[in-house]
Amino acid sequence: DVKVTQSSRYLVKRTGEKVFLECVQDMDHENMFWYRQDPGLGLRLIYFSYDVKMKEKGDIPEGYSVSREKKERFSLILESASTNQTSMYLCASSFWDEQYFGPGTRLTVT
Amino acid sequence: EDKVVQSPLSLVVHEGDTVTLNCSYEVTNFRSLLWYKQEKKAPTFLFMLTSSGIEKKSGRLSSILDKKELFSILNITATQTGDSAVYLCGARGATNKLIFGTGTLLAVQP
Repeated sequence: DVKVTQSSRYLVKRTGEKVFLECVQDMDHENMFWYRQDPGLGLRLIYFSYDVKMKEKGDIPEGYSVSREKKERFSLILESASTNQTSMYLCASSFWDEQYFGPGTRLTVT
Repeated sequence: EDKVVQSPLSLVVHEGDTVTLNCSYEVTNFRSLLWYKQEKKAPTFLFMLTSSGIEKKSGRLSSILDKKELFSILNITATQTGDSAVYLCGARGATNKLIFGTGTLLAVQP
């Protein structure tokens, strides 16, 4: 079974803090993705990566950065968290079309 | 701009009813359309469709794609309370990323 894990299920951070969200997959997938999910807005792509050290901006990259130093790990970084980044963050990985999702991290920024 | 639109946004039915969820898409160099089910956790894969008119079926769920009219439907027959979830539709173009709709929230009442 494909497994995608995320470092935390729930996270509470203060405005201005630097936040790291980690995602690890065990299927040797080339592609990895970070989404945020908000009510009424669906899944919106923040960044994706198709290879180690490669990254592409998604639809809403502002305020975020990513790192992919190893194939199995894709990190999302909030350089200075703001309250409008309170959301559910989902990581996914894929080889071709089908994406496998992690359990999500519910981040609250106060 | 690529987009995916799902309808209805939400739906309440009774156990035993049949429901049809809709997904229309405008995606450059369309390659595939995927359906996911999301309960209170990670989205789980249901179907991937690439060819028009070929129905995919899994138990009480089925789905079909119309590449001429640019839409797909997901049918659920004899609904059960366990079918209550958000159903997500995503379309893939030339890149490895999926464009998701906002989802349809289905509530099945006993």
